[in-house]
Amino acid sequence: QVQLQQSGAELVKPGSSVKMSCKASGYTFTSYYIYWIKQRPGQGLEWIGRIGPGSGDTNYNEKFKGKATFTVDKSSSTAYMQLSSLTPEDTAVYYCARATVFDYWGQGVMVTVSS
Amino acid sequence: DVQMTQSPYNLAASPGESVSINCKASKSISKYLAWYQQKPGKANKLLIYDGSTLQSGIPSRFSGSGSGTDFTLTIRSLEPEDFGLYYCQQHNEYPYTFGAGTKLELK
Repeated sequence: QVQLQQSGAELVKPGSSVKMSCKASGYTFTSYYIYWIKQRPGQGLEWIGRIGPGSGDTNYNEKFKGKATFTVDKSSSTAYMQLSSLTPEDTAVYYCARATVFDYWGQGVMVTVSS
Repeated sequence: DVQMTQSPYNLAASPGESVSINCKASKSISKYLAWYQQKPGKANKLLIYDGSTLQSGIPSRFSGSGSGTDFTLTIRSLEPEDFGLYYCQQHNEYPYTFGAGTKLELK
């Protein structure tokens, strides 16, 4: 069955970076885009962008350009998102999801930015 | 960016009742509207995409309608497991955008 397994929660300091993973299984990794979505505590969902694991092409929400960077490792069917120059406003759960409509989601990574 | 206005914000209902959740786009998004369910401790679930297409494995009591700017998610004969948060999302143009969510609570 299709699964997206995300890495564990992170507690990071302001100004630092964090890199999280999303390991795909149960389907051909290179056949579907991976999307990243942000959800601040008690808030709605924001689309950060996407990466095509086969081609490596990316699309970013303008709001997250310079903040988020997507990469993939095809050998391990894993997508990564790095967030840089973290501030308290980056405290959120970050989800990965598959495809144009998000038919499968990871369980989310809670990132807490605090000194 | 396309703004998605979802209503109501809160909705209280009893098992067996039918409810509707509305989503309005700030410009036409053709049919490209999806609905998701979010529940604590569970992966978010795709219910409907392309406005009215039921995702595989989703019970037929869920249905979607609409096109252009106005869309509706209807849940007939509510089951206890249907209570939770619901979001609409347009997948017509980047950046994809979501509604603010509707909390469906047990009355």
